[in-house]
Amino acid sequence: NAGVTQTPKFQVLKTGQSMTLQCAQDMNHNSMYWYRQDPGMGLRLIYYSASEGTTDKGEVPNGYNVSRLNKREFSLRLESAAPSQTSVYFCASKLGTAATEAFFGQGTRLTVV
Amino acid sequence: QKEVEQDPGPLSVPEGAIVSLNCTYSNSAFQYFMWYRQYSRKGPELLMYTYSSGNKEDGRFTAQVDKSSKYISLFIRDSQPSDSATYLCAMLTAGGGADGLTFGKGTHLIIQP
Repeated sequence: NAGVTQTPKFQVLKTGQSMTLQCAQDMNHNSMYWYRQDPGMGLRLIYYSASEGTTDKGEVPNGYNVSRLNKREFSLRLESAAPSQTSVYFCASKLGTAATEAFFGQGTRLTVV
Repeated sequence: QKEVEQDPGPLSVPEGAIVSLNCTYSNSAFQYFMWYRQYSRKGPELLMYTYSSGNKEDGRFTAQVDKSSKYISLFIRDSQPSDSATYLCAMLTAGGGADGLTFGKGTHLIIQP
């Protein structure tokens, strides 16, 4: 049982480049989330998808877009990367909005130079 | 003021000590209280959760919730070097929220051998 799989694990981008972070879960979960984690800032919610077919902005959505491709997959796109987007990105999923347990991927370490 | 406050540490204690980790919160609608553990370069994993007030014990770990004070704690008895990690508290209202769990920033715990 793979759980939540994120790709890639590491990435270096130049300022202005674009990229898509992929996330897939195999637990038949309805809700999926993208967070970024920076030293001293904790986990900050970028975008979320409470259920298939819906997406909403979180706390720090500027510079990002998302796509809930289907129930399994939720991708995060950086259209024009900036050094301020250097961070560790985590995808997470839950059975539903009332579920207490979130399952996290291993993270993507992104550096923008 | 953030909804959930957590001292980021680091908290360094000798092996075998009792560890106390704490969070305070402001939203009285929170009913579910979770503790996640995050090892270095990994995603967070659920350690324990408690519904409403009271204590819950799981091996060397005890979670305590005091809703009257809006204060939650995680106690670790007979701490081991393998307990060294970042511990994040998380909270959820009774009906859940579309935007997922509300996390504290995490406390970095170091158990010295």
